[in-house]
Amino acid sequence: AQSVTQPDIHITVSEGASLELRCNYSYGATPYLFWYVQSPGQGLQLLLKYFSGDTLVQGIKGFEAEFKRSQSSFNLRKPSVHWSDAAEYFCAVGATGGATNKLIFGTGTLLAVQP
Amino acid sequence: DTAVSQTPKYLVTQMGNDKSIKCEQNLGHDTMYWYKQDSKKFLKIMFSYNNKELIINETVPNRFSPKSPDKAHLNLHINSLELGDSAVYFCASSLLSGGAWNEQFFGPGTRLTVL
Repeated sequence: AQSVTQPDIHITVSEGASLELRCNYSYGATPYLFWYVQSPGQGLQLLLKYFSGDTLVQGIKGFEAEFKRSQSSFNLRKPSVHWSDAAEYFCAVGATGGATNKLIFGTGTLLAVQP
Repeated sequence: DTAVSQTPKYLVTQMGNDKSIKCEQNLGHDTMYWYKQDSKKFLKIMFSYNNKELIINETVPNRFSPKSPDKAHLNLHINSLELGDSAVYFCASSLLSGGAWNEQFFGPGTRLTVL
């Protein structure tokens, strides 16, 4: 069955420090992979996506993610975190098949940023 | 211009009541979705409609009845509300193109509280 695991429920980093959020997926075919961010009380914003090709993808707000097929991982990184990055981050896999087209989300990682 | 809009943003009601949430998209998409985010922030798909036809129904109780009057609208009606229905409900839309993936755009969410 398709699934997404985000092992870290809560992470705290200092402003200016680097960040890596982990994501592992289980999917039979080549996955469509996504990272979304949800700020408090807000909707979901797409940070970046991987469909195929270069395994290092760049997104908005200075984020990047690397697809590693051998590890079934799609970790999100940012070299220098800003206070405004404090939010909930969701990794997701896009499941397609016939008439279906749905996102399967991980449980999220809550990022806190210390001054 | 708001791409995917939902009304209301907040909904507080008593157990046993019937309520509706509305969603509209102006992106010209042919597929719309309802996702539920529970109190632990876990996001799960509930329904998907393509060209007004139901294509995904993820074992949601019969008390939940989606309705799509046209491609731009997808409403969610909930009968006999229960405490466990308290959640944030997100609407999303995308184009569905035969096995390929197109980005899903999310609305701002409707926070439903059942007392």
